[in-house]
Amino acid sequence: EIVLTQSPATLSLSPGERATLSCRASQSVRSYLAWYQQKRGQAPRLLIYDASNRATGIPARFSGSGSGTDFTLTISSLEPEDFAVYYCQQRSNWLITFGQGTRLEIK
Amino acid sequence: QVQLQESGPGLVKPSGTLSLTCAVSGASIISSDWFGWVRQASGKGLEWIGDIYGSGSGSTIYNPSLKSRVTISLDKSKKQFSLRLKSVTAADTAEYYCARRNSDYFDYWGQGTLVTVSS
Repeated sequence: EIVLTQSPATLSLSPGERATLSCRASQSVRSYLAWYQQKRGQAPRLLIYDASNRATGIPARFSGSGSGTDFTLTISSLEPEDFAVYYCQQRSNWLITFGQGTRLEIK
Repeated sequence: QVQLQESGPGLVKPSGTLSLTCAVSGASIISSDWFGWVRQASGKGLEWIGDIYGSGSGSTIYNPSLKSRVTISLDKSKKQFSLRLKSVTAADTAEYYCARRNSDYFDYWGQGTLVTVSS
């Protein structure tokens, strides 16, 4: 099973700042990695797939990068609605795993 | 617009069986997509439970940690799929989400349903 480790656990920033979230895989997942946003009381929402492709309707301030074992989700300029929990997810050998999440909170 | 909606009992007794159904609308359930379940204990992260393939024989894949207790099935005529988790304990108390997996990623999710395991 591939383990995804997200860092930091919590990120405290102000609106307008740039956010950089990390996801590291225990072995290569090539580019088969997604990012989700989950707001309190809501289901997760797909933001990025295949490491760097924005899902339908996702604002351009969200971008993803990386391949192999190291991936990054960047939010270029934080909006108030971006403060939430973010998860990475991979599928390898038919099995799916999620990272433990990064909480993005208002400073 | 693809929509998924979970339904089922919100309370299950320890050692009993958790049963949930997910109704799919706005998309064909007979497709090359996978349909699955993800759960989330209160204040915790996301845990994948398993998926079923919408086409052909309805192949299933399960999380190895739950495989011995899980069954996911598909009812094409009713456009729904179901989750059964047997021998539940308090550790199975969680919000349960159904979702559609397009290739490798979950692109549509239900709103979630809370299941509590308690006597």
